[in-house]
Amino acid sequence: DVVMTQSPLSLPVTLGQPASISCRSSQSLVHSDGNTYLYWFQQRPGQSPRRLIYKVSNRDSGVPDRFSGSGSGTDFTLKISRVEAEDVGVYYCMQGTYWPPWTFGQGTKVEIK
Amino acid sequence: EVQLVESGGGLVQRGGSLRLSCAASGFTFSNSWMHWVRQTPEKGLVWVSHINGDGSGTTYADSVKGRFTISRDNAKNTLSLQMNSLRAEDTAVYYCARSFEHWGQGTLVTVSS
Repeated sequence: DVVMTQSPLSLPVTLGQPASISCRSSQSLVHSDGNTYLYWFQQRPGQSPRRLIYKVSNRDSGVPDRFSGSGSGTDFTLKISRVEAEDVGVYYCMQGTYWPPWTFGQGTKVEIK
Repeated sequence: EVQLVESGGGLVQRGGSLRLSCAASGFTFSNSWMHWVRQTPEKGLVWVSHINGDGSGTTYADSVKGRFTISRDNAKNTLSLQMNSLRAEDTAVYYCARSFEHWGQGTLVTVSS
């Protein structure tokens, strides 16, 4: 199984400042079809997960443009350009290149300092 | 608007059975891969099972293989998860998800020992 490792696991940030979350996979996530099936999810307190990013860098509908995804191969990053109060929650990466199983990272908790 | 509404969770004794349902609306259900994902504070998000659009293809996490069965009724736009031989470690919030793009609100399953 592909292991997804996120860092940091806890990220205190100041409102208006940038934030960055790293996600590394145990093997390259480049599929034989040329796509890289790496996703990012946000889970606000008390809510269900919400997909933010698909295939590394594509924002889902309604996702603010302060969220961006980047990376390739085994190293990926989710960046928030300017953190807002509504961004508090846990962020997960997930791979869908080698399935089953689809595998998630451990989650990164973003909180306001 | 896409809606996924889970039901069927509850308290069950170890070794017992439970059937979860997910009522889908707002999209072409029969064209969509569907997943069950569970969540605990200790393990975070863990993929459980998937089914393709016409129900001909299913996959399972090793931890539930042989005990859980995923199915769908495309005439009723309903996804199901039959859970047998339940263990304490199956205790979790269970989410249904459409291709991981849309998620339900979750239903809590508690297995008592």
